[in-house]
Amino acid sequence: EVQLVESGGGLEQPGGSLRLSCAASGFTFSSYSMNWVRQAPGKGLEWVSYISSSSSSVYYVDSVKGRFTISRDNAKNSLYLQMNSLRAEDTAVYYCARGSIRGASLFDYWGQGTLVTVSS
Amino acid sequence: QSVLTQPPSASGTPGQRVTISCSGSSSNIGSNTVNWFQQLPGMAPKLLIYSNNQRPSGVPDRFSGSKSGTSASLAISGLQSEDEADYYCAAWDDSLNGWVFGGGTKLTVL
Repeated sequence: EVQLVESGGGLEQPGGSLRLSCAASGFTFSSYSMNWVRQAPGKGLEWVSYISSSSSSVYYVDSVKGRFTISRDNAKNSLYLQMNSLRAEDTAVYYCARGSIRGASLFDYWGQGTLVTVSS
Repeated sequence: QSVLTQPPSASGTPGQRVTISCSGSSSNIGSNTVNWFQQLPGMAPKLLIYSNNQRPSGVPDRFSGSKSGTSASLAISGLQSEDEADYYCAAWDDSLNGWVFGGGTKLTVL
């Protein structure tokens, strides 16, 4: 059974940092690209970042470029999102979602999400 | 303001057929495939349709997707009360080098 479990969310002050993790199981993690998607309270879905299976390609939404870094450890079946210089508008539930083995991401499996709150 | 445009709401009665539209541009829907997601209240999103019109295993055939030019549609036939949820479209955008989502459509089953 495919499982994605996020952790690392919490309350952080503006300007602070958080590192989100996503533990994957039930599939060959190293073969799949992965994504982070967030959802602000009461709002819609917003794609945040993508990483290819080998980490050779990464992409970010403009609003987080230069502040967030996506990475993965295929040996540990884990995906990460390092979030620096946090802003109030980064407050959201952050989901990790499976991409694909090749071609366009499918987002076929999602974690339960981890809540990040940025507030003083 | 989302890059992909969806109606904020839709509604129907049990058994009816409803459609939800998703309008984009040549850089996203016009040149890439579309995925559709269902999000029940308090839950993570679930993939409903991928590659414009493909259903993952386990998704009922009441759900169907189509694409024409720079627009896509999700159709739900035989509407059921458990279909009451938020629905999102998404596509890769070649100009933005990233995925873009629609603003979401809240479906109410009357």
